[in-house]
Amino acid sequence: SSELTQDPAVSVALGQTVRITCQGDSLRSSYASWYQQKPGQAPLLVIYGKNNRPSGIPDRISGSSSGNTASLTIAGAQAGDEADYYCFSRDSSGDRWVFGGGTQLTVL
Amino acid sequence: QVQLVQSGAEVKKPGASVKISCKASGYIFTNYWMHWVRQAPGQGLEWMGVINPSGDSTRYAQKLEGRLTMTRDTSTTTAYMELSSLRPEDTAVYYCVRDTSATYDGRPCWFLGLWGRGTLVIVSS
Repeated sequence: SSELTQDPAVSVALGQTVRITCQGDSLRSSYASWYQQKPGQAPLLVIYGKNNRPSGIPDRISGSSSGNTASLTIAGAQAGDEADYYCFSRDSSGDRWVFGGGTQLTVL
Repeated sequence: QVQLVQSGAEVKKPGASVKISCKASGYIFTNYWMHWVRQAPGQGLEWMGVINPSGDSTRYAQKLEGRLTMTRDTSTTTAYMELSSLRPEDTAVYYCVRDTSATYDGRPCWFLGLWGRGTLVIVSS
């Protein structure tokens, strides 16, 4: 089990907006970071901090946080956004780190 | 070029140990913590542990305590991860990952912006 909880799978119609969430007690006092992973590839950082994107990540990918929940929003979903998405932060003990279980995004 | 180059794939028998190297280049090695993350076939990402910049402090996932050892050699800018008493369920791709932490509005964030390409470890009799 993971201290960061994600829905296992989410789908979105092409061009629509989708939100992927990550819940955990530690997120009340820290920000999650988000990773996109496509088959056969290493994960790629897409969002960190309040709503920061590394160079090369489009601004239609955004992050937000409220209470114990971090959210990743993808606007105008494209076929290339199909991937697994993971959140990451420190665990509730503050002594170790943890990934969410991952959300598989399907673009219909 | 900023990169992490990992050692090659390994095949091990149950009960053996494996040691993976991660050569860092293009940045100041001693400025960053290094995490190790693994991913079993068809499964999610699993945080294994982290080592501080000087190599004198580590934190390991509780389920791996006693079997996992992380070290780093600042003279060669290389990090190492050794897992002992291997089991078939340790079969996975193992990644070294550079950590960056920052604070935003008084709240910390840890993010993993630089990943190695991964090392496949197969544990099979």
